[in-house]
Amino acid sequence: DQQVKQNSPSLSVQEGRISILNCDYTNSMFDYFLWYKKYPAEGPTFLISISSIKDKNEDGRFTVFLNKSAKHLSLHIVPSQPGDSAVYFCAASGSSNTGKLIFGQGTTLQVKP
Amino acid sequence: DADVTQTPRNRITKTGKRIMLECSQTKGHDRMYWYRQDPGLGLRLIYYSFDVKDINKGEISDGYSVSRQAQAKFSLSLESAIPNQTALYFCATSDSGQGKDTQYFGPGTRLTVL
Repeated sequence: DQQVKQNSPSLSVQEGRISILNCDYTNSMFDYFLWYKKYPAEGPTFLISISSIKDKNEDGRFTVFLNKSAKHLSLHIVPSQPGDSAVYFCAASGSSNTGKLIFGQGTTLQVKP
Repeated sequence: DADVTQTPRNRITKTGKRIMLECSQTKGHDRMYWYRQDPGLGLRLIYYSFDVKDINKGEISDGYSVSRQAQAKFSLSLESAIPNQTALYFCATSDSGQGKDTQYFGPGTRLTVL
């Protein structure tokens, strides 16, 4: 039973445009959400997070939106750059500081010059 | 220098062999984790440890064991490797004192079991 789902295996966008990566979850007990970026031959690196008490968190070109009623979060990258091409994983945690993250399957983003 | 290191980075072994993957961290974090990544499945938790005397099974612990030799070291063992354990393995750490579950990952070990 996949509690965190990324239904789009891949996404291709033009440089300078917006990239929107989506993630759905089923467990209403999740209260902390994260996005990780992974380049080939490297480990995932933390990108941005959001607590369930918020509906938006912004860090530079990256913004995460959380819709608790829909159990949906999204990552917006504006403007997209070729260096953003990577695999993006969303992850969720049930009640803060449990230490356990549940990951989605990942979405491969390609940003074309 | 990397905060979380894994050795080896690549390993090819044969079915039935015992193999150990090692993880070290200089972040001073108390919590450590082992994950595997398979295509289309994301990262799945194998084992985790909240301190030196604490070991917990994750989602897919069968066929694996771990040892937390020190706060900074967490090793993963495959007692008798089988081909479906071919995967990317990642170690991660987190700090319970931060009050959040943000984890920091090592570079990974690519394991192939023939």
